[in-house]
Amino acid sequence: GEDVEQSLFLSVREGDSSVINCTYTDSSSTYLYWYKQEPGAGLQLLTYIFSNMDMKQDQRLTVLLNKKDKHLSLRIADTQTGDSAIYFCAESIRWVTGGGNKLTFGTGTQLKVEL
Amino acid sequence: NAGVTQTPKFRVLKTGQSMTLLCAQDMNHEYMYWYRQDPGMGLRLIHYSVGEGTTAKGEVPDGYNVSRLKKQNFLLGLESAAPSQTSVYFCASSYSSSGSYNEQFFGPGTRLTVL
Repeated sequence: GEDVEQSLFLSVREGDSSVINCTYTDSSSTYLYWYKQEPGAGLQLLTYIFSNMDMKQDQRLTVLLNKKDKHLSLRIADTQTGDSAIYFCAESIRWVTGGGNKLTFGTGTQLKVEL
Repeated sequence: NAGVTQTPKFRVLKTGQSMTLLCAQDMNHEYMYWYRQDPGMGLRLIHYSVGEGTTAKGEVPDGYNVSRLKKQNFLLGLESAAPSQTSVYFCASSYSSSGSYNEQFFGPGTRLTVL
């Protein structure tokens, strides 16, 4: 099947680091993405990583990629209450029909940041 | 630059009623998508379009129809609504999906309840 798996919930204290994990399905995925969904809003691209990279850092965000295990993680340093949201990982998979690539999204991880 | 907009934001239907959800984008994107989001299931692709006048089925197309008469608009229709179609519907667009990188831009969503 084409299930991208994530744990459903994560709770952290403000100022701690958050680590959100994702297991994807297609070893040929060239790009992997992290999207953020704030309450009542659509998804926004947070960051992405190209498959030939092991790590990508962008300010408080660190993305780690383990291609052998098809495991992706997003670490948020110094987590703030404004980081409370649902985080989706997504992999880019070649369309069977129609050409190009489609995104397959994980189930989403709800991050709750407590004071 | 409004990005991706969706109307309406909320709607309540009775079983058997019909309705059309409208998506508009002002980024001159070729590709447009309709997803539904259900708790614990992430986003699932309903239909998509690779250009004006073209549409194709996604993962969960049954009970829905779409049209892309103009490049900037993508309509999702429910001919005879069922309670199983209670969901949050998201429209997205991307410049193309022919390359590996496929950043999708999302609208704010339409919350639909079918009684």
